[in-house]
Amino acid sequence: AQSVTQLDSHVSVSEGTPVLLRCNYSSSYSPSLFWYVQHPNKGLQLLLKYTSAATLVKGINGFEAEFKKSETSFHLTKPSAHMSDAAEYFCVVSSTTSGTYKYIFGTGTRLKVLA
Amino acid sequence: DTEVTQTPKHLVMGMTNKKSLKCEQHMGHRAMYWYKQKAKKPPELMFVYSYEKLSINESVPSRFSPECPNSSLLNLHLHALQPEDSALYLCASSQEAGATYDEQYFGPGTRLTVT
Repeated sequence: AQSVTQLDSHVSVSEGTPVLLRCNYSSSYSPSLFWYVQHPNKGLQLLLKYTSAATLVKGINGFEAEFKKSETSFHLTKPSAHMSDAAEYFCVVSSTTSGTYKYIFGTGTRLKVLA
Repeated sequence: DTEVTQTPKHLVMGMTNKKSLKCEQHMGHRAMYWYKQKAKKPPELMFVYSYEKLSINESVPSRFSPECPNSSLLNLHLHALQPEDSALYLCASSQEAGATYDEQYFGPGTRLTVT
């Protein structure tokens, strides 16, 4: 069965410093992986997705993630944090079990950006 | 147009009321979803519609009744709710549930408060 683990519930960084949000997955086959961001009282916005075309995936707003099969990881990074990056981030793996398809969400990482 | 719209944005209802949440997308997507999200938690899947037919019901209480009148619209009818049903209700759509790398587009949500 597919699962995803976000290793940090909270991350704090200073504005202008790098961001690293960690995600490990479990999947019996090549996974579909996604990162979403949710600002307070808003819906979820797709940052990027892994499509197997490349292990380094570039997303919106300067975010990128690297798929490492050997480490079963899909960590999200950004070179320089901006105040507007403060939000909740969800790592997601898609799952198809017994003919049904759904997203499996991580528990989320709250990113705080300090001025 | 890559937007999923939801109405109303906020809803306060008593435990004896009947109300409906509405969701609309015009991206030609054939899969639509309802999620419930409690504070500081990831979204929880409630229902999935694929080609206007209910394909997944995650054991949701019957006081929640989904409806898909056509491929662009998704409703969630609410009746005799409990205070613990207060949450952010998110609608999402995707090209086709189960397709490889199928990504979901989320609406802004309806903040529901049951008094």
